[in-house]
Amino acid sequence: NAGVTQTPKFQVLKTGQSMTLQCAQDMNHNSMYWYRQDPGMGLRLIYYSASEGTTDKGEVPNGYNVSRLNKREFSLRLESAAPSQTSVYFCASSDPGASRTEAFFGQGTRLTVV
Amino acid sequence: GNSVTQMEGPVTLSEEAFLTINCTYTATGYPSLFWYVQYPGEGLQLLLKATKADDKGSNKGFEATYRKETTSFHLEKGSVQVSDSAVYFCALSLPDYGNNRLAFGKGNQVVVIP
Repeated sequence: NAGVTQTPKFQVLKTGQSMTLQCAQDMNHNSMYWYRQDPGMGLRLIYYSASEGTTDKGEVPNGYNVSRLNKREFSLRLESAAPSQTSVYFCASSDPGASRTEAFFGQGTRLTVV
Repeated sequence: GNSVTQMEGPVTLSEEAFLTINCTYTATGYPSLFWYVQYPGEGLQLLLKATKADDKGSNKGFEATYRKETTSFHLEKGSVQVSDSAVYFCALSLPDYGNNRLAFGKGNQVVVIP
C-alpha cells in the first residue's frame, strides 16, 4: 500500500552541489509531477510528465532537470544547488485516463541549501 | 490562466467552533475542484472533491459545494476538533492534453485551540 514514495526525506547541500530526488509510484499512473512548497506560496509545479517518455516544464523549472525513467519512476535533479532552492519538494502522480481523478502525493523531501 | 485564490492569513479558532475557508477560482473550461489537507510533517492528502457545478464534496465532517455562478468552492465544518489543525489547500485541475495538472491556492494554516 505504498502509493508514492520519495527519497530522501531530508537533505542538506552546499551551494553548487548536485543531487537527485527520487520518486516512485505503484499505482500504474500515467502522469507524474514535481512541486515545490514554500511558505506563503502554496505549491508550484516544477516539471511534469504526462506519460512515460515525455516531460514538460511547469511554472518554475529553472535550475532543475527531470527524467521519467519508466512508468513508475520520475526523478528531479539539481545540477548546481542554490540557496533559493531551499524548499520542500513533493512528487505526485495521477491517472488522467480516469474521470477527473485527484493526484496522490509523496511525503516530501525537505531540502536545505547552505 | 487558471488560478486559485484562498483567503489570506492563518485561521485560529476554538474547539467546536464553525470553520469556513474561502476559495475562488479562475479557469478556462470546466475544472474539477479539490481540497487537500496537510498535517504537520506530512504530504498532502485529498480531503474532498467535486467534478461539476452544484456537486457537494464531503469527508470527515467537512463540506464544499462547487458554485459555478460565483466561481467558488468554500470549505466548511460545523464543529472543529484539535485534530483538524493542519494546512488546507484549495486546488483545481483541467484535463488539457490528457494531463491533470493541479493549480493550488497558497493554503491556510488552521489552528484549533482546546
